[in-house]
Amino acid sequence: QQNVQQSPESLIVPEGARTSLNCTFSDSASQYFWWYRQHSGKAPKALMSIFSNGEKEEGRFTIHLNKASLHFSLHIRDSQPSDSALYLCAVSPDYGGSGNKLIFGTGTLLSVKP
Amino acid sequence: NAGVIQTPRHKVTGKGQEATLWCEPISGHSAVFWYRQTIVQGLEFLTYFRNQAPIDDSGMPKERFSAQMPNQSHSTLKIQSTQPQDSAVYLCASSFNTGQLYFGEGSKLTVL
Repeated sequence: QQNVQQSPESLIVPEGARTSLNCTFSDSASQYFWWYRQHSGKAPKALMSIFSNGEKEEGRFTIHLNKASLHFSLHIRDSQPSDSALYLCAVSPDYGGSGNKLIFGTGTLLSVKP
Repeated sequence: NAGVIQTPRHKVTGKGQEATLWCEPISGHSAVFWYRQTIVQGLEFLTYFRNQAPIDDSGMPKERFSAQMPNQSHSTLKIQSTQPQDSAVYLCASSFNTGQLYFGEGSKLTVL
C-alpha cells in the first residue's frame, strides 16, 4: 500500500524567498510524480510532473526526483503572495494494474507574506 | 471548455439520510476519479472508471458507498445512511490518459 508523506505541514515565508517542499513515498515501483496546487476553496490544479530521476524546471518552479531515496521535492524561486496555497504531492503506481490513479500526500500549506 | 462540473456544491443531510453527488467530466476524457478531502486525512482516493467501466474501488468504504458511470457524460457517488464522519469535500476528476487529473471544485457534504 503506497504511503505518501509531505513535509513540512505548513510554512510561512517572506515574498521573494526560495521555498522548498518535500515528499516521500514508499513504493519503489512508482513511476510518475506530480505536484498539484490548491488555492482555498478551489480545485486542485497540476503544477508540474517528472518521470525520471533528476531535475525539471518550469519558470519559477523546479522539481527534483531521486527514486533511490524515495523522495521528490518542489522548489519555488522568488515566492509571491499568489503562491499561497495548499501544495499536494502525488504518486502514480506502475501502469500494471491501476492506470493513472494518483495517491496524494496530506499537503503543505504555504503562506507567502508581502 | 467548462472543466469538470460537480453538483451540488454544498449538501447538508441528517444522519441516516442518503446523499447523491454528481460529476460531469471534461468531454472526451476517458477516465473519471472520485476522491474525498478532509483536513485530517487529506485527499483520499475512492474509486475510478475508465471508458465507463469500474477499474479500481479500493478506497471505497464497502458498505454504504457506491459509484456509477451510466454514460460517458456523468458519474454519481451515492452514500447511504450518511454518518457525521462522512462529512468532507468530495472531488471528482477526469483524465485523458496523460496522467494529469483535472479536478472539479468539489461537493461539500455536511452530515448533521
